[in-house]
Amino acid sequence: KQEVTQIPAALSVPEGENLVLNCSFTDSAIYNLQWFRQDPGKGLTSLLLIQSSQREQTSGRLNASLDKSSGRSTLYIAASQPGDSATYLCAPLTGTASKLTFGTGTRLQVTL
Amino acid sequence: GAVVSQHPSWVICKSGTSVKIECRSLDFQATTMFWYRQFPKQSLMLMATSNEGSKATYEQGVEKDKFLINHASLTLSTLTVTSAHPEDSSFYICSARSRVSSYEQYFGPGTRLTVT
Repeated sequence: KQEVTQIPAALSVPEGENLVLNCSFTDSAIYNLQWFRQDPGKGLTSLLLIQSSQREQTSGRLNASLDKSSGRSTLYIAASQPGDSATYLCAPLTGTASKLTFGTGTRLQVTL
Repeated sequence: GAVVSQHPSWVICKSGTSVKIECRSLDFQATTMFWYRQFPKQSLMLMATSNEGSKATYEQGVEKDKFLINHASLTLSTLTVTSAHPEDSSFYICSARSRVSSYEQYFGPGTRLTVT
């Protein structure tokens, strides 16, 4: 059974800092991995999807890396802004079951 | 593109009544839709997976007679919470997978259910 851990659980940084969110998963037989953001009381917004054959995926100030064999992914946010404040969730798609398994998320607060 | 809507966005109902939540893929055809629930400060837990035209597959511990799922078309799935009780109060989120995208899932905005 896939288990996903995200570290840290919460993070507070001043505006402009670069930061890294970590995600680890126990079953490396994944098809892809998605990073999402969730604002309070809202649904999920897909940020990046990285295929199992890829090492990196970039979108604007966001960069996601994937090391499938070691069961790790990181989300790098450059030049953080207050609007980046949200909970960030990673979710690998397990190949055999074709289901997303969610971590508990990292709650990010970017202060002025 | 790839927009998923849910209706209603929030609902309050009395204990013992049933509530139906709709999930629609607005600009793509979804062969598979998923229903999740999320308790405060917790992550999403998959309840069931539904494929268009077939019965839903429920996760372990989810009562299929209580949470009725219908996926009648490639753009619509419904979740009916039958005989709702206060412990069913939660945030319900649906997602849809496009038949052409590489397994990317698109999520709806969620429905807040409060059972009094």
